[in-house]
Amino acid sequence: GQSLEQPSEVTAVEGAIVQINCTYQTSGFYGLSWYQQHDGGAPTFLSYNALDGLEETGRFSSFLSRSDSYGYLLLQELQMKDSASYFCAVLIYNQGGKLIFGQGTELSVKP
Amino acid sequence: DTEVTQTPKHLVMGMTNKKSLKCEQHMGHRAMYWYKQKAKKPPELMFVYSYEKLSINESVPSRFSPECPNSSLLNLHLHALQPEDSALYLCASSQGEKGGEQYFGPGTRLTVT
Repeated sequence: GQSLEQPSEVTAVEGAIVQINCTYQTSGFYGLSWYQQHDGGAPTFLSYNALDGLEETGRFSSFLSRSDSYGYLLLQELQMKDSASYFCAVLIYNQGGKLIFGQGTELSVKP
Repeated sequence: DTEVTQTPKHLVMGMTNKKSLKCEQHMGHRAMYWYKQKAKKPPELMFVYSYEKLSINESVPSRFSPECPNSSLLNLHLHALQPEDSALYLCASSQGEKGGEQYFGPGTRLTVT
């Protein structure tokens, strides 16, 4: 089967840095994605790592270690608007490609 | 244009009704998806279409029937639903099945009475 683990909640203050970890056990692993979802909204794509290493996009960075089945999302210079749910999702490919989402991490940014 | 549109935004239907959800994208994406999402839960994949052909059905009950009329459109036909089917139904698209970058529509909030 497939399983992903990420913390259920994280709290941080404005301007801080927060890291959301994701570990996975899957077969047919192709890559790791991160999505943000605000209350009442749809998931929004943040990043995708197919290879080991760090990908940086503005204030957000994502890391993948395929040998450790581990990745993280790093959010810098936190802003109130970053309060949302963050999902890691593994892309698996086996007679078709699909995303399997983790349970999500609810990030609360305090002033 | 990175927009996926979905209609309707809200839908209330009885258990004997037949209704359809619609999704459209004009990004030239060749893979399209239907997800179901319950409150405080992650999206759950239902169906994947790749190049207008159904490539994955996640053992979804037959009361949900997907259709891909062309590369830009995706429908989900609903019939004889149960109250537990009430959820947010999300459509998404990506360039291909091997891309982890999916663009989601705003969803249809479905209530089955």
